[in-house]
Amino acid sequence: DSGVTQTPKHLITATGQRVTLRCSPRSGDLSVYWYQQSLDQGLQFLIQYYNGEERAKGNILERFSAQQFPDLHSELNLSSLELGDSALYFCASSAPPVYGYTFGSGTRLTVV
Amino acid sequence: TQLLEQSPQFLSIQEGENLTVYCNSSSVFSSLQWYRQEPGEGPVLLVTVVTGGEVKKLKRLTFQFGDARKDSSLHITAAQPGDTGLYLCAGGGSSNTGKLIFGQGTTLQVKP
Repeated sequence: DSGVTQTPKHLITATGQRVTLRCSPRSGDLSVYWYQQSLDQGLQFLIQYYNGEERAKGNILERFSAQQFPDLHSELNLSSLELGDSALYFCASSAPPVYGYTFGSGTRLTVV
Repeated sequence: TQLLEQSPQFLSIQEGENLTVYCNSSSVFSSLQWYRQEPGEGPVLLVTVVTGGEVKKLKRLTFQFGDARKDSSLHITAAQPGDTGLYLCAGGGSSNTGKLIFGQGTTLQVKP
């Protein structure tokens, strides 16, 4: 157990639907990062939150949004899902200075 | 845009052989991490290097950060089947966001 908890582990949904992925960071870590991993794109940075505030944004689609709550857990919302959104979604957390991430075990999203 | 290129992409070797994985960029990174990922799991941090020219050893694994902090290598001595997995390098920029840029990964298979 890495200390970063992601739920659900697997998600199968239809095109056009909306889903929410949840992440609880390692105790004491204020930063949460979301990454998308697909076979052809590798690990792509989506967004980072630090202590409730958005800190950095990657190539995150407008259909995707995220937030970090006062208890530091984070949610990634994916809407109007398309087949191409099928991927592994990872959450990671870190404490400053950032000398490495602790990753969760990911959510495998399948859009059918 | 900062990019990290890993080579080779795939490596299949026999137990006992040595190997080197390379991670190259035209950008300077403030730190470089190496992760190992197994199927169905999130990446696990192996090492962080922050000083140009730095060499770190982790049992049979040797990590080196280039003098100009643009490249890194991972050398495995006497590979074992337990070393099988996806190896990822990740670079941290000079911004204070903590965002990491990941290479595409090297898939290593060590056959007994």
